Amino acid sequence: GQNIDQPTEMTATEGAIVQINCTYQTSGFNGLFWYQQHAGEAPTFLSYNVLDGLEEKGRFSSFLSRSKGYSYLLLKELQMKDSASYLCAVRDNTNAGKSTFGDGTTLTVKP
Amino acid sequence: DTEVTQTPKHLVMGMTNKKSLKCEQHMGHRAMYWYKQKAKKPPELMFVYSYEKLSINESVPSRFSPECPNSSLLNLHLHALQPEDSALYLCASSLGTGGSSNEGQFFGPGTRLTVL
Repeated sequence: GQNIDQPTEMTATEGAIVQINCTYQTSGFNGLFWYQQHAGEAPTFLSYNVLDGLEEKGRFSSFLSRSKGYSYLLLKELQMKDSASYLCAVRDNTNAGKSTFGDGTTLTVKP
Repeated sequence: DTEVTQTPKHLVMGMTNKKSLKCEQHMGHRAMYWYKQKAKKPPELMFVYSYEKLSINESVPSRFSPECPNSSLLNLHLHALQPEDSALYLCASSLGTGGSSNEGQFFGPGTRLTVL
């Protein structure tokens, strides 16, 4: 099974940098995903990590350490539109196609 | 075409009704998913289809019946639902189900279902 932990809420200031952490315990690991979900909308795929290290995509970066069961999503130059829920999802290798989602971190960006 | 479409956007049904949710993608994705999402909760996986075959059923009650007529379409047939089934139903697709650098899931906008 999977156990995924993320902070429930975070607040940051426009223009700043924020790091959203995700820790997981899994019986088999086959990739970690980050999604953004605005209120009332569907999740949007942000990033994917399967090997250790940092993946950078514009203002967003995601890091993975498989030995520590740890990932973070780094958002730079925060904008008001970044206010959303950020979901960490882990795919296991025992049940192809199944990703288990964490409860999400609600990020509020203030002026 | 890089989107997943779902119809209808909203659906209100009684407990004795039969209705269907539809999902379509034309990205050549071979894996398609149904999720249920309650307010302030993460998406909860219901079904996975891989190459048009049902690969995962997360012990979903039989009043939910999925169907994959072809690689672009996914339906969810609803019958005799309960009020607690009211939720946002999300369809998603991905290139495949294995490990790859680009296999995030692309979600449709969802169908907001209310069961009276």
